[in-house]
Amino acid sequence: SAVISQKPSRDICQRGTSLTIQCQVDSQVTMMFWYRQQPGQSLTLIATANQGSEATYESGFVIDKFPISRPNLTFSTLTVSNMSPEDSSIYLCGLGGGPGSYNEQFFGPGTRLTVL
Amino acid sequence: AQSVTQLGSHVSVSEGALVLLRCNYSSSVPPYLFWYVQYPNQGLQLLLKYTSAATLVKGINGFEAEFKKSETSFHLTKPSAHMSDAAEYFCAVSDNTDKLIFGTGTRLQVFP
Repeated sequence: SAVISQKPSRDICQRGTSLTIQCQVDSQVTMMFWYRQQPGQSLTLIATANQGSEATYESGFVIDKFPISRPNLTFSTLTVSNMSPEDSSIYLCGLGGGPGSYNEQFFGPGTRLTVL
Repeated sequence: AQSVTQLGSHVSVSEGALVLLRCNYSSSVPPYLFWYVQYPNQGLQLLLKYTSAATLVKGINGFEAEFKKSETSFHLTKPSAHMSDAAEYFCAVSDNTDKLIFGTGTRLQVFP
């Protein structure tokens, strides 16, 4: 399976600032997703990162708050903008398994964000 | 719309005892079902998946799950718990889209 890396692995940020999280894969993948995992909670899908076009956001998430880039099939970024303490979470990128994968996903190690 | 319910946010067992983590799903079409494990400070790892090929699915680390359509369940079991099994376990469902819907998770504690 693909090797997924995320940068940074963790960060502590001040309220009102922005942080960009990178997801790098060692092979080309069609489907990439960004999730948020709030403390003690499950994973919530933020958006599907589409290569070469705007991301598709889930209900409750907007591009101004979580801009996403997907310049190619191996890389994506998620920016958490104008952060508040409520944004403290683990952010994970997920990869779709592709055709024949039955929609299974594989996940990066996550970025642990704390907002003060 | 599909959904997943995991009964019991915390489960504690003794080492060597049976592990049973419960998952019930709701889906308007035949679902694909998954169990993931998350060890402390790590990402999610796929344990096993149900894709309609067989109702009893075997996964990694001795875990297995049985799909029961009549009960809309996909419970995860392991005959004998090991200390290294302590982690958070998530059940997830997908239908004919590319998205996964996750349950709220069950934290498994294993006592010596």
